[in-house]
Amino acid sequence: GAVVSQHPSRVICKSGTSVKIECRSLDFQATTMFWYRQFPKQSLMLMATSNEGSKATYEQGVEKDKFLINHASLTLSTLTVTSAHPEDSSFYICSARDLQGAGNQPQHFGDGTRLSIL
Amino acid sequence: AQSVTQPDIHITVSEGASLELRCNYSYGATPYLFWYVQSPGQGLQLLLKYFSGDTLVQGIKGFEAEFKRSQSSFNLRKPSVHWSDAAEYFCAVAESTGGFKTIFGAGTRLFVKA
Repeated sequence: GAVVSQHPSRVICKSGTSVKIECRSLDFQATTMFWYRQFPKQSLMLMATSNEGSKATYEQGVEKDKFLINHASLTLSTLTVTSAHPEDSSFYICSARDLQGAGNQPQHFGDGTRLSIL
Repeated sequence: AQSVTQPDIHITVSEGASLELRCNYSYGATPYLFWYVQSPGQGLQLLLKYFSGDTLVQGIKGFEAEFKRSQSSFNLRKPSVHWSDAAEYFCAVAESTGGFKTIFGAGTRLFVKA
């Protein structure tokens, strides 16, 4: 089945550091990828929709200058948390849609990245 | 805009008992509906999905869900729960047009007692 690889799985860094998270579709092409954030014991909140070759669409309340998204190819999207602070600590999950699939193909999710800012 | 409501924050059932997790959605067009399961610290696993056709859908691990348009519901069921089913369950709805944006419910934590 379709696989989405997310890297790193866990990162711990100091406050003020910028952190990049990669999301790769391993065996399919994805024009659209999604980035979610999940706080402990809470649901997934959609942060932004990443479209290959164009600017990401951010959900209301998400700072686009804080969470930089790049989708330079059909198999890779990156999320960079700039100047991270402890309140940015969270579980970040990406997902991707299969370009070749039918319009009703579900998203394929990565295993998530646990970000901890000290 | 679409929304998903899971009215039960947590549910406890005995091993071997039946299970039903509730999900209500709000969406103007025909929705795409999903149930996912998440174990602590892990990613999401798709249990089942509904796009069209038969309103009773079968999924993995013995789960099923029934789409009821009149009630805007998509409840998840399992006839006999196993201890390994203890996890967080999320209902989700995706728009059937545009970018397939998906919104998740708040989740229901399932506890299984021996």
